[in-house]
Parts: sequence; structure tokens; C-alpha cells
Amino acid sequence: EIQLLESGGGLVQPGGSLLLSCAASGFTFSNYGMTWVRHVPGKGLQWVSTMGGRYGTTHYADSVKGRFTISRDNSRNTLYLQMSSLRAEDTAVYYCAKDRSDNSAWPLDYWGQGTLLIVSS
Amino acid sequence: EIVMTQSPATLSVSPGERAALSCRASQSITTNLAWYQQKPGQAPRLLIYGASARPTDIPARFSGSGSGAEFTLTISSLQSEDFAVYYCQQYYGWPLTFGQGTRLETK
Repeated sequence: EIQLLESGGGLVQPGGSLLLSCAASGFTFSNYGMTWVRHVPGKGLQWVSTMGGRYGTTHYADSVKGRFTISRDNSRNTLYLQMSSLRAEDTAVYYCAKDRSDNSAWPLDYWGQGTLLIVSS
Repeated sequence: EIVMTQSPATLSVSPGERAALSCRASQSITTNLAWYQQKPGQAPRLLIYGASARPTDIPARFSGSGSGAEFTLTISSLQSEDFAVYYCQQYYGWPLTFGQGTRLETK
């Protein structure tokens, strides 16, 4: 059974930093791209970042480029999102999702349960 | 950036009836289109990919159609568990983009 478990969310002051993690199991992690998507309360889904499995190619939404860094440890089956210079508009539930394949843009076939980030003073 | 526009924003349908949700892309995305279902407090679930392919665990009452820039998600006979928010998403190019969602509610 494929499982994705996010952790690391919480309350952070504007300008602060936070690291999200996503522990994956039930599939060969290194063979798949992995993606972060956020859901702003009362609004829709927003793609944040994707990282390829074998070659580690990264892509970012313009709204987070230069502030967020996606990374992965294929030996630990874990995906990360290092977030810095956080803003109120980054407040959202952050989902980790598995790409259906690797090395390109793909639909997201499995999702974690999400972790809530609140940016507020 | 490819803009995805869903209509209507809210659709009111009675259980047992058919629902058709629309999604339009700002340019051709061939068939690189996915549909997701999201219920309150839950993660999104992939319903359709490749515009019309269905994962094995998705019921046959869900079907997708379209290509280029116009797409439709059809639910043939609505069950109580189908009332949720539905999102389309293009994966033709970066950045990946979602529609704003259609809320399917009980009439």
C-alpha cells in the first residue's frame, strides 16, 4: 500500500523558516517524481514544486521561487520542502503527492493527508 | 502560464442524476489533463488522467472526455459520496496549473 505522511507544519512568524517532510512507503521512491501542492483555506489547489526521482530536476511556482527549496533523500524515501522568508499568503495545507511517473510533468496519483502551515504574527 | 477555467463554480444535482463539469485551458494541452475529487478535510484523489483514463480503483460512473482545450468530467448517476469539489489540472507544461474548482452539491 502506497503511503505518504507529511510532517513539520505549524505556526511561524512572517519572515520565518520551516522544513516540511514527507515520508513515503509502498513504492520504489527513486523511480518517481514527487510534488508539493498547497490548498489555501477557502480557495483552490496551487502547485508549489516538483522534483524528479532519478535526475533530481526541480521546478517551482513563481510565487515560491527563491524562497522554497525542494529536495529528496532517496535512501530514506523522504521528500522535503525547505521554506524561508515566509509570508501570510503561504498559509495553507501542504500536500505531498507522488507523480504517476518520472522526468516530466505527470498527474498526481497518490497524496498525503497534508500538514497545515500558518504564517502569522 | 496555462490558465485552467472550470464551470460552473457550483453545480446542484439530485442523487441519481447525471452531472457534467467543464474545464477549459487557455491553450491546447492535447490530452494532458487530470481530474481530482476533494472532500472536506481530505486530500485530493485522482479520478481521471490523460483526459479519459481511469485509475483501477475509480468507479465506472466517472468518465472524462475532451482534447485540445475543452474537457468534461461526467458522473453518470450521482451517489451521496460524490458530492465534493472537483478540480481539473493540466500537466502539459510548467508551471502545473489547476482550475479553481467546481463544487458539486445536493439539489
